[in-house]
Amino acid sequence: DAGVTQSPTHLIKTRGQQVTLRCSPKSGHDTVSWYQQALGQGPQFIFQYYEEEERQRGNFPDRFSGHQFPNYSSELNVNALLLGDSALYLCASSFSRAYNEQFFGPGTRLTVL
Amino acid sequence: GQSLEQPSEVTAVEGAIVQINCTYQTSGFYGLSWYQQHDGGAPTFLSYNGLDGLEETGRFSSFLSRSDSYGYLLLQELQMKDSASYFCAVNRYGGATNKLIFGTGTLLAVQP
Repeated sequence: DAGVTQSPTHLIKTRGQQVTLRCSPKSGHDTVSWYQQALGQGPQFIFQYYEEEERQRGNFPDRFSGHQFPNYSSELNVNALLLGDSALYLCASSFSRAYNEQFFGPGTRLTVL
Repeated sequence: GQSLEQPSEVTAVEGAIVQINCTYQTSGFYGLSWYQQHDGGAPTFLSYNGLDGLEETGRFSSFLSRSDSYGYLLLQELQMKDSASYFCAVNRYGGATNKLIFGTGTLLAVQP
């Protein structure tokens, strides 16, 4: 079992650009959540996908959008990048009926210049 | 609103016991989780308390008191590899989602 995988590992973009981050959940998991972790802070919930729909959203602007595919993998898209979007983006997968544990991927380190 | 408070830093020596406290204020509380994160790594699940009381998993134990909106993580027989950030996180479950609200983390430094 490969666990949760994310790509790319690192990414450097400039302000105003757009970025797409990818996540493959742990085998058997059907739910994917995305988190943003700024340096020295705890992860902040962006949104969660289940059955290819956005089920819940945190306090993030519409520049942040996502998608879940039939194989449960997911993408996070961020448009019009700002310097403040520089962070570690974490994907977490879980099984919809097992609410107590989420498995995190290694993250994508995004740097916006 | 919602908030979680935990100490920013804790220092202890190898072999000792350390307790990391967490107080929370949130609606839709379902349970309290603890995650460990080494520098540059992914958060890894340590423990979950859905009911009041103590949960024990090896060297780690976690406690929850719903009436006090308080929990703690207890680490025993500390090892150097336990040096990491520890996050408490509220599980908010509703509408078929299980959302985690994280605290700001406690940086644990284990010294020889």
